[in-house]
Amino acid sequence: AQKITQTQPGMFVQEKEAVTLDCTYDTSDQSYGLFWYKQPSSGEMIFLIYQGSYDEQNATEGRYSLNFQKARKSANLVISASQLGDSAMYFCAMRELIQGAQKLVFGQGTRLTINP
Amino acid sequence: DTGVSQDPRHKITKRGQNVTFRCDPISEHNRLYWYRQTLGQGPEFLTYFQNEAQLEKSRLLSDRFSAERPKGSFSTLEIQRTEQGDSAMYLCASSSGTYSNQPQHFGDGTRLSIL
Repeated sequence: AQKITQTQPGMFVQEKEAVTLDCTYDTSDQSYGLFWYKQPSSGEMIFLIYQGSYDEQNATEGRYSLNFQKARKSANLVISASQLGDSAMYFCAMRELIQGAQKLVFGQGTRLTINP
Repeated sequence: DTGVSQDPRHKITKRGQNVTFRCDPISEHNRLYWYRQTLGQGPEFLTYFQNEAQLEKSRLLSDRFSAERPKGSFSTLEIQRTEQGDSAMYLCASSSGTYSNQPQHFGDGTRLSIL
């Protein structure tokens, strides 16, 4: 079974600085996918970025990039030029295939606080 | 573009009562998921529908829980004889599932509090 580990319960960063949120994963599958979601205090899970195991390039989406190190089984999220609105819980998740669809297995999350 | 809609946003009920939550997915999405999230944890998978068929259920889904998706559109999640441990955020997500990199789109969730 897949497992996601996020070792940073909380992170505090000054506005405009870059921040790296750690995520390590465990799977025996050769083909897999990793997702990052943001959850503000309102509760909605917002999709940020996706990395496939066979993708040769690290994924990027605007200020978000994924530092994917396959051999180390890590998929860290990098947020550049942090903003106050980035304060939220961040979850790393792995796709687990079930009956032709994707069940997401989530880590415990990291609470990011951006200080002005 | 209408996102995933969940109703109600909050539900407070006494132990032993039945509750029902509703989820309206993004209209063109044929796949629908329910997750449960307790305080300080990541969401945990409960069940999955492809169109109207319920294809997968987690062991977390005891026999007090039942989910339906009639006609493959909206879905309901019912909890019978609620217990204190049922207090959580219940999240619904949908996806088109066409490609493996398709993300699941989540609603705002229903927060259930059992008194």
